[in-house]
Amino acid sequence: GAGVSQSPSNKVTEKGKDVELRCDPISGHTALYWYRQSLGQGLEFLIYFQGNSAPDKSGLPSDRFSAERTGGSVSTLTIQRTQQEDSAVYLCASSSSWGPYGYTFGSGTRLTVV
Amino acid sequence: KQEVTQIPAALSVPEGENLVLNCSFTDSAIYNLQWFRQDPGKGLTSLLLIQSSQREQTSGRLNASLDKSSGRSTLYIAASQPGDSATYLCAVRGGSEKLVFGKGTKLTVNP
Repeated sequence: GAGVSQSPSNKVTEKGKDVELRCDPISGHTALYWYRQSLGQGLEFLIYFQGNSAPDKSGLPSDRFSAERTGGSVSTLTIQRTQQEDSAVYLCASSSSWGPYGYTFGSGTRLTVV
Repeated sequence: KQEVTQIPAALSVPEGENLVLNCSFTDSAIYNLQWFRQDPGKGLTSLLLIQSSQREQTSGRLNASLDKSSGRSTLYIAASQPGDSATYLCAVRGGSEKLVFGKGTKLTVNP
């Protein structure tokens, strides 16, 4: 596609429920990243995919967070048993893994846990 | 551990003024540096990407410079307009694949 697409754009969920956030990267981009932006905070790295593998998942806050990527394309970030501190904007980015590449971000999913 | 600092945290200027946003990073072993713009409630829009071998990049009224040895980058905005009001984020990529972001400069351009 023309850009990085994320869905849903907004999600309100009850504490304790599971949520899935989806990212559709730019076609042909082999690298995919998840970041989190909490209110008043900077962007926090969560996980990085190269193809379907995740060489760096060091930023995942807890074992309630998991992510997968299939077909070298779409990625899903799953948060189990959501807590109020999970409320944030979750941003996905993709990039080519070669050449003078930069990162293209999606518009994000705003997650509110009530 | 790479740390990125942006100064000032907020800036308010009258329309038409030229301005400079500053970004500094602690580890000069970077692959590239990227400036982004973020509007309230929106995602990030890439403005300029500077490779480690480059000194500057220009796009329209924007000019970004990079001094890798001193760990500094500046974003120069010429003839500012109210539509430039946004938060500007600086991010560096080092040896790992992840970007390290500063906390941003919130710019307000007053008509």
